[in-house]
Amino acid sequence: GQSLEQPSEVTAVEGAIVQINCTYQTSGFYGLSWYQQHDGGAPTFLSYNGLDGLEETGRFSSFLSRSDSYGYLLLQELQMKDSASYFCAVSLNTNAGKSTFGDGTTLTVKP
Amino acid sequence: KAGVTQTPRYLIKTRGQQVTLSCSPISGHRSVSWYQQTPGQGLQFLFEYFSETQRNKGNFPGRFSGRQFSNSRSEMNVSTLELGDSALYLCASSVLAGGPADTQYFGPGTRLTVL
Repeated sequence: GQSLEQPSEVTAVEGAIVQINCTYQTSGFYGLSWYQQHDGGAPTFLSYNGLDGLEETGRFSSFLSRSDSYGYLLLQELQMKDSASYFCAVSLNTNAGKSTFGDGTTLTVKP
Repeated sequence: KAGVTQTPRYLIKTRGQQVTLSCSPISGHRSVSWYQQTPGQGLQFLFEYFSETQRNKGNFPGRFSGRQFSNSRSEMNVSTLELGDSALYLCASSVLAGGPADTQYFGPGTRLTVL
């Protein structure tokens, strides 16, 4: 089976930088995605890493190390609206749209 | 383009009843996946459909079933409801082949409460 581990909660202040780590154990790993979910809302896609390295999208960056089975989401210049749950998800090397999600990290941004 | 829509948004049922939830994917998306989200269990994969065929199924009992129609709309059914089925049910669609690198677009979910 697959398993993912990410911290359950992270707290930071506005303007700061925060890193949310995700470690995974799976066979047939294909890629790692990150999703954001505001309270009461639907998960929305943030980024995808299929290869090792850093992907940058505005204030958000995501990193993957396949050899370490590890990735992280980096959020810079934190804003109050970034308070949400962040999920990492692994996709497998199969031709099927199935993802295994971590339990999520609740980020609280304080003024 | 319109996003993923799910109906109904809220539902209250009693134990033993059955329920059918509906999901309309983004136009042009052929892959639809269903997830159950609970506070203690996170997002759990239920099943995935592509071109009216179930390609993958998660570890849920046979009371959970689904189908996909020729227009890619999908329904999931839960029979003999139990209290533990209370959850947010999310549907996600992805483009064309629904391969592992395809981004999933989630609907707002159906909040099911079983009394």
